[in-house]
Order: sequence, then C-alpha cells, then structure tokens
Amino acid sequence: EPEVTQTPSHQVTQMGQEVILRCVPISNHLYFYWYRQILGQKVEFLVSFYNNEISEKSEIFDDQFSVERPDGSNFTLKIRSTKLEDSAMYFCASSEGLAEYEQYFGPGTRLTVT
Amino acid sequence: DAKTTQPTSMDCAEGRAANLPCNHSTISGNEYVYWYRQIHSQGPQYIIHGLKNNETNEMASLIITEDRKSSTLILPHATLRDTAVYYCIVRVGYNQGGKLIFGQGTELSVKP
Repeated sequence: EPEVTQTPSHQVTQMGQEVILRCVPISNHLYFYWYRQILGQKVEFLVSFYNNEISEKSEIFDDQFSVERPDGSNFTLKIRSTKLEDSAMYFCASSEGLAEYEQYFGPGTRLTVT
Repeated sequence: DAKTTQPTSMDCAEGRAANLPCNHSTISGNEYVYWYRQIHSQGPQYIIHGLKNNETNEMASLIITEDRKSSTLILPHATLRDTAVYYCIVRVGYNQGGKLIFGQGTELSVKP
C-alpha cells in the first residue's frame, strides 16, 4: 500500500541553524501539506501546496518557513533560522483532491532545537 | 470552519464496540465529517469520512444523524491496539485548500 515517507525521523539542530525536512508524498497525489505538533499539544496546520504554489498558510508559517517541490517526488519544508520553539513533530500529508479525499500522513520528523 | 465537540476521554472493554460521539452543530452542506486517530506521537491515521450517508470500511463505521449535527464513530470490536486519540474533524469544501483542523480529540483507552 502506498505511503507517505519522511526523512529524517529525528533531527537535532542548534538555534539559528537552517533545517530542511523532507517528504515523499504518495505518487499520484496532487495536494501536499505540512503540519506540526508541539509535545503535548494538538496537531496544527502549517501550509498547503498545490500546482507548485502555496494554497493556504497559517499564522505559524512566517517568513522563516518555506516549502518547495524540487522535483516530481519530494516535498520539503525549510526553516531558515530555527528557534527553540520550533521544536516539534512535523508531519507531511498528501491527498488526491480536496474535501472528499482523505489526507494520508507520514510518520513525522521530530525536530529538536537546542 | 465548523467546530466539533468530543468527550475528552472514554474507556472501552476489549472485544466490545467503541462508540465515539462528536457534535458538529454548525456544519455546512458541503462539509465532510472526517475521523482520524493518533497513536502516541505517530502520524495521524485516516479512519473514515462521510458527507450525509452512513459509511463503513474495514476499520470502522460512521453514523451521521439526518440533520448532520452529530456523528458517531463505531469500532465494532475494539482491541488494545485501538487505544489512541480519536479526532472528529469537519473539513471545508472545495476551493478552500483542504486543510484539516485538529481539536483535542477523545482519548480512547481499551482495557483488557
């Protein structure tokens, strides 16, 4: 069964450093998403991406964040200058379509900023 | 986006049916009801979704009331592996980006 994959599973970085989180969505999916979950808190939407551009972004997704689909398979989230409060699980998701199509989530990348 | 209300926690005996309720009284006509679950800190797992009609798949059944203001997720024979946080989400319709808005969910504990 196709699945969303994410790398790395755990990333430790120092404050101020840039990180890139990688995702490989399900191959025939067209809509891509990033969510995050701070430890003990709820899952929060960050950004949605379709047709090589951002469809929607949340208030969390400020100028420090960017997304890219550099080739036909990868979908990346870059944080330019990490802060302590960026420590969280980051989940990538993909779907074939919008409301009537389910989103499938990856296993997540645990980002720890020290 | 329509808000949902779920109980904070529920218990269920192993082998019995788990019935998880959700209220979504402000749901609009083009909004779907989705259920996901999250086991520990793993990625949310899709369970089932519906618009108006009741739905069933290999994991669960979804019962939506006729006025669509509430729904119930049914796990017919709960196992210990079904212990998780269950999220009821009302998802916006077309041309809205399709994001999922997670609440706090219901923490289901399946006990032997």
